[in-house]
Amino acid sequence: GENVEQHPSTLSVQEGDSAVIKCTYSDSASNYFPWYKQELGKRPQLIIDIRSNVGEKKDQRIAVTLNKTAKHFSLHITETQPEDSAVYFCAASVTGYQKVTFGTGTKLQVIP
Amino acid sequence: DTAVSQTPKYLVTQMGNDKSIKCEQNLGHDTMYWYKQDSKKFLKIMFSYNNKELIINETVPNRFSPKSPDKAHLNLHINSLELGDSAVYFCASSEGTGTNTEAFFGQGTRLTVV
Repeated sequence: GENVEQHPSTLSVQEGDSAVIKCTYSDSASNYFPWYKQELGKRPQLIIDIRSNVGEKKDQRIAVTLNKTAKHFSLHITETQPEDSAVYFCAASVTGYQKVTFGTGTKLQVIP
Repeated sequence: DTAVSQTPKYLVTQMGNDKSIKCEQNLGHDTMYWYKQDSKKFLKIMFSYNNKELIINETVPNRFSPKSPDKAHLNLHINSLELGDSAVYFCASSEGTGTNTEAFFGQGTRLTVV
């Protein structure tokens, strides 16, 4: 089955700096890669996703990159703000198969 | 007007008891899930249902029995609760077979077994 590894497990950055979270996956058939943000005590919520036919996607301060050959994908947050502090999960899934495998999570702390 | 709602939000119970968590979605989605999030925040899928049919069971002990009376509901019943069952349980839903779209999560049920 799919195995998703995520690094780092914790990340502290100064407000205004960039944060990068990296994930690798094992199943070459995976073609959908969502990222979820979970604030303390709340539910995970999708912040951005990327499909395998795209190498990069941006949404304001957030960008994701995908390298299918290396089976790597990354989340980039620029100009971080205190409200970006949360646990971020990467995930991978295969079209037609109702299973999303999550990474182990990264706790991001943005220091004002 | 909550998209995915689960009850109760908190559940404290003694070892050996049987308890249920209910989940309902009003998004018209065909697929529903149960995830378990442990104290280290790992999110692990337990079950996936598509149109009331079980399609994924991730080696969950058979003390856990999901039930889907219709595609808008997926309840989780747990027999003979153990200390290790303490976790936050999230219900989620997404659009149907053949697509990969956003999973919408409920607010979670924090289960504490004492």
